[in-house]
Amino acid sequence: EAQVTQNPRYLITVTGKKLTVTCSQNMNHEYMSWYRQDPGLGLRQIYYSMNVEVTDKGDVPEGYKVSRKEKRNFPLILESPSPNQTSLYFCASKGTSRGETQYFGPGTRLLVL
Amino acid sequence: AQSVTQLGSHVSVSEGALVLLRCNYSSSVPPYLFWYVQYPNQGLQLLLKYTSAATLVKGINGFEAEFKKSETSFHLTKPSAHMSDAAEYFCAVSDGGYQKVTFGTGTKLQVIP
Repeated sequence: EAQVTQNPRYLITVTGKKLTVTCSQNMNHEYMSWYRQDPGLGLRQIYYSMNVEVTDKGDVPEGYKVSRKEKRNFPLILESPSPNQTSLYFCASKGTSRGETQYFGPGTRLLVL
Repeated sequence: AQSVTQLGSHVSVSEGALVLLRCNYSSSVPPYLFWYVQYPNQGLQLLLKYTSAATLVKGINGFEAEFKKSETSFHLTKPSAHMSDAAEYFCAVSDGGYQKVTFGTGTKLQVIP
């Protein structure tokens, strides 16, 4: 089954404790992206990757890091989480042809205390 | 720069009534346009997309949207609302070239029995 998986689905942590949210896709997609969803703000792009070892900032990259060492994986790293990073996070992937559909993971709900 | 405006963060309709969710876009090049639906505690799922073929696009679950270049609009409609349509709906735009997808702030649809 074609899918994007994220782990963990729920995470409670404390300010400053480094964490990683994993994302994996099995569709051989070149493009992967991370979004955060906040009430009233919709989805905002954090980082995206066009292919292995190619990443770039989205609209709200501050406080986040990513890496793309393998085509299927695109982890999101919060080196020193802060309460304003409490949010719902989505990973997505798609091919690079024009107008391709993005496929979304189930989301990771993060609470930073 | 591309952008999307969704008018109305909350829309309520009676079961069986017409659903109309509004989306206006801004793009410097011919856009690709998408509607996604998010059911509670789930990720986003594609409803339909416009990729410069037919201006009237039909999607899943009886939804359709019409691309109107003169009005820079891509409103989502469904003739008769069902209880199962209650969800949050997101309009998104992509210029196709740089792969970036920009989302609107979302519209929550409530269906009243």
